[in-house]
Amino acid sequence: KQEVTQIPAALSVPEGENLVLNCSFTDSAIYNLQWFRQDPGKGLTSLLLIQSSQREQTSGRLNASLDKSSGRSTLYIAASQPGDSATYLCAVRNTGNQFYFGTGTSLTVIP
Amino acid sequence: ETGVTQTPRHLVMGMTNKKSLKCEQHLGHNAMYWYKQSAKKPLELMFVYNFKEQTENNSVPSRFSPECPNSSHLFLHLHTLQPEDSALYLCASSQGGGQFFGPGTRLTVL
Repeated sequence: KQEVTQIPAALSVPEGENLVLNCSFTDSAIYNLQWFRQDPGKGLTSLLLIQSSQREQTSGRLNASLDKSSGRSTLYIAASQPGDSATYLCAVRNTGNQFYFGTGTSLTVIP
Repeated sequence: ETGVTQTPRHLVMGMTNKKSLKCEQHLGHNAMYWYKQSAKKPLELMFVYNFKEQTENNSVPSRFSPECPNSSHLFLHLHTLQPEDSALYLCASSQGGGQFFGPGTRLTVL
């Protein structure tokens, strides 16, 4: 069964810093990997989707990379802002309609 | 209205009540999902529907009963719940790519 791990569980950084969130998965036979943001008590907002054939995706200050063979993905956030404070989740999709989620990284950006 | 919507947004119910959660997606997706999110725990997949047919049931207690009348609508019928069922219930949809989530229903069982 696919297992997804996110490290660190929590991260606190001063405003303006660049930071990296990590996601690892045990089964490299994935269809895609998706990064989400979740604000407290709210639903998940999709940030980036990387297909298994892709190495990275970019959206604004966010860049996500995928190394399928090693079972790793990183989410890079440039020039962090207090509004980036949230929990960040990664999810991998195997063949079919099964999605496996990590436990998330809780990010706090200090003004 | 676009995306995935869920109603109600908040629900408080007693253990003997019967209530239903509703999810609607306006994205033309063929798959819909129910997840449970409890404090300090990862998302737990509950049910998956693909083209209105249930394809996954992750050992969910029978007090949760899903219904998918068409590809755009998904319900979760609740009866005789327990206090430990209090959580955020999230609906999502997908088609060939990533998932799109609704805002969730915050359920409190007294």
